[in-house]
Amino acid sequence: SQTIHQWPATLVQPVGSPLSLECTVEGTSNPNLYWYRQAAGRGLQLLFYSVGIGQISSEVPQNLSASRPQDRQFILSSKKLLLSDSGFYLCAWSVTGEKLFFGSGTQLSVL
Amino acid sequence: SQQGEEDPQALSIQEGENATMNCSYKTSINNLQWYRQNSGRGLVHLILIRSNEREKHSGRLRVTLDTSKKSSSLLITASRAADTASYFCATRAGTYKYIFGTGTRLKVLA
Repeated sequence: SQTIHQWPATLVQPVGSPLSLECTVEGTSNPNLYWYRQAAGRGLQLLFYSVGIGQISSEVPQNLSASRPQDRQFILSSKKLLLSDSGFYLCAWSVTGEKLFFGSGTQLSVL
Repeated sequence: SQQGEEDPQALSIQEGENATMNCSYKTSINNLQWYRQNSGRGLVHLILIRSNEREKHSGRLRVTLDTSKKSSSLLITASRAADTASYFCATRAGTYKYIFGTGTRLKVLA
């Protein structure tokens, strides 16, 4: 069966520090991969999506970037975090285009 | 923004009552989906309704879709305390993009 792993679960980082969040999917090939961010008590904002290795579509211009070095690996990065980068980051995958499967999320606090 | 809006933002009901939440969206869609999120967790898919469907059922869930009004509703019948969560609608615009609404926070009181 398919599973999605996202880590770490929580992260506290100082302003100006780098960021790397990783997401991997098991049990499926060539998934569409997604990074969403959720502010406290709010909806989900689509940040990036990828339909194949090395193919990244950015939805929100900001100091975050994403990479897909392998078929089932999706990485969210930043060179210098801002206070406004705090939030709950969710990775998700889809194959059929019918529904999304989400990871358990990373709570990022930038102080 | 393409983001949809859920209404109400928050809903508090007694166990056994029905809960209805609504979603409005802005663009043409292929399908509309509802997801559930427990506090601090990832979202879980509940039900999908295609643009050519008007109503769909799954267990205690009933979803309607009115594409002329660009709106959908989710009805949870005979609610339970375990139904306490946030509920989001999502629309698939184009081939790959899923746009989520702002969510309804449901609290079911035992």
